[in-house]
Amino acid sequence: DIQMTQSPSSLSASVGDRVTITCQASQDISNYLNWYQQKPGKAPKLLIYDASNLETGVPSRFSGSGSGTDFTFTISSLQPEDIATYYCQHYDNLPYTFGQGTKLAIK
Amino acid sequence: QVQLQESGPGLVKPSQTLSLTCTVSGGSINSGSHYWNWIRQPAGKGLEWIGRIWRSGDINYNPSLKTRVTISVDTSKNQFSLKLSSVTAADTAVYYCAREGLNDGRLDYWGQGTLVTVSS
Repeated sequence: DIQMTQSPSSLSASVGDRVTITCQASQDISNYLNWYQQKPGKAPKLLIYDASNLETGVPSRFSGSGSGTDFTFTISSLQPEDIATYYCQHYDNLPYTFGQGTKLAIK
Repeated sequence: QVQLQESGPGLVKPSQTLSLTCTVSGGSINSGSHYWNWIRQPAGKGLEWIGRIWRSGDINYNPSLKTRVTISVDTSKNQFSLKLSSVTAADTAVYYCAREGLNDGRLDYWGQGTLVTVSS
């Protein structure tokens, strides 16, 4: 199985801050990577697909980049409603695996 | 608008079989345009992919669960189902069903999730 390692596991930032989360795959996955947002008690929501494509309806402050083994997810200006846990997920092969999650809090 | 809704018992005894159904509305499983997935999440933990089915054919399971999992589909009811046998407390989790694009791995629509507790 491909292991997905996210960092940090948690972070605290102020409204308006630029926030960056990284995800590293244990082998080359090209750009076969998605990012999800999960709010407490809710299902995950797809934000970014193919590493850098914004899902329809998702605010443009969210972005993704990377290929191969190293990927980055960025919120350009943190908003209060962005408080959530964020997960990366590869789909290079089966089984799909997810990162362990990054819990984002407001300072 | 596509919607998915999980249903099934919230409490299962150890060693028994967990059975859940996902009902799809706003889209047809029989169209063959998507995979239909099961994913679970223990309380306070991360997401684990369980498996997926395409229409009535191609089925894939996570090797870590393969000996205990069965995924099936009922296209007449636009539903797909999960059975997990010989459950233990470690199978206690929120179970989600989700739709996946055929060629892009995007899990773009999810059910709200259903908590299944394994306890005697």
